[in-house]
Amino acid sequence: GAGVSQTPSNKVTEKGKYVELRCDPISGHTALYWYRQSLGQGPEFLIYFQGTGAADDSGLPNDRFFAVRPEGSVSTLKIQRTERGDSAVYLCASSLDSWNTEAFFGQGTRLTVV
Amino acid sequence: GQQLNQSPQSMFIQEGEDVSMNCTSSSIFNTWLWYKQDPGEGPVLLIALYKAGELTSNGRLTAQFGITRKDSFLNISASIPSDVGIYFCAGQSLNAGNMLTFGGGTRLMVKP
Repeated sequence: GAGVSQTPSNKVTEKGKYVELRCDPISGHTALYWYRQSLGQGPEFLIYFQGTGAADDSGLPNDRFFAVRPEGSVSTLKIQRTERGDSAVYLCASSLDSWNTEAFFGQGTRLTVV
Repeated sequence: GQQLNQSPQSMFIQEGEDVSMNCTSSSIFNTWLWYKQDPGEGPVLLIALYKAGELTSNGRLTAQFGITRKDSFLNISASIPSDVGIYFCAGQSLNAGNMLTFGGGTRLMVKP
């Protein structure tokens, strides 16, 4: 596609529920990133994929968070047993490849845990 | 972990004025990026810098990669109302893979 697409744009869920957030990167981009942005702060790194594999997942806060990219294109961020502190905007970005650090961001998914 | 200190946190200026903001780091970066974020949107890449001392322009925007590799600044000349938004610096270092470390942002408000 023309840009990075994220769905849904907004998600409200109850504490304890499971959620999935989807990212469709720019066509042809092999590197994909997930970031989390809390209100009034800059984005914080969660995980980076090169192709199908998670090359760096050091930013995932705990084992309730997991992400996949089974075919090297679309990625899904999965959060189990959501907590109110998980409320944030989850941003996805892609870049041409692992050597290119110019990352292009989607519009984000605003997750609210009530 | 790595931290980027971005200043000022906010600016309220008159249309037509020039704007300057900067980022400093406690560690070395080999790439600096500047992004602008509008409400409800993701960050949009403005300028990318790859070499110490590099000075790059994009229209009314000019950014520089500090020679110590620990800082960068962004200038906006002759500001206009559509420059309103939050500007973020981001750095990437060799020992942190491909992850970007972001500053806290500078909120720019422009009075017509």
